Amino acid sequence: GAGVSQSPRYKVAKRGQDVALRCDPISGHVSLFWYQQALGQGPEFLTYFQNEAQLDKSGLPSDRFFAERPEGSVSTLKIQRTQQEDSAVYLCASSLFLSGASGSYNEQFFGPGTRLTVL
Amino acid sequence: EDKVVQSPLSLVVHEGDTVTLNCSYEVTNFRSLLWYKQEKKAPTFLFMLTSSGIEKKSGRLSSILDKKELFSILNITATQTGDSAVYLCAVMNQAGTALIFGKGTTLSVSS
Repeated sequence: GAGVSQSPRYKVAKRGQDVALRCDPISGHVSLFWYQQALGQGPEFLTYFQNEAQLDKSGLPSDRFFAERPEGSVSTLKIQRTQQEDSAVYLCASSLFLSGASGSYNEQFFGPGTRLTVL
Repeated sequence: EDKVVQSPLSLVVHEGDTVTLNCSYEVTNFRSLLWYKQEKKAPTFLFMLTSSGIEKKSGRLSSILDKKELFSILNITATQTGDSAVYLCAVMNQAGTALIFGKGTTLSVSS
């Protein structure tokens, strides 16, 4: 009965370093989301996958941010040349069905997040 | 641009008090409004509201939506120290692919 898991839970990076954050969604969940939560703020949407297809990446703040989900399960969020403003908690969420479909709410289950600190 | 505004940003109460948290929104094509509780880790789902005037209840928590005035409230009665958390309000975006969150209300309940 595992939920969404993320690793690492904490990451400290020097400015300019590349980082990779991993998300393991709940098994069988079709939809996967990444959010960025800065200190004292609500989560902000980054990107959405339906299986292996990245259908919405409108929230990625710059081209230094890249996400993939090559086999439609595990996803990786990569941040290149990290900057101090990238410091935040990165939350991953998954949901069972396709997003955007009409009908009852398709609950998003959140992982514990990765806290990234860029020095 | 879609927007969710929560108030107050923080609140300190004593155990046993009743609190009301507010959420107003502006969205292009409203689908649903959701409330989450976040205790230093993953947000956990509380309520989803789609219709005006229908109260949702879960124990001491209740919530209602007003689609005409574009706001929702979350009530917590007889607060307990375990209710201390950040309460997040979110609206589903037009495409239904992502949640747009407010900044949250930080509730602290002292014993």
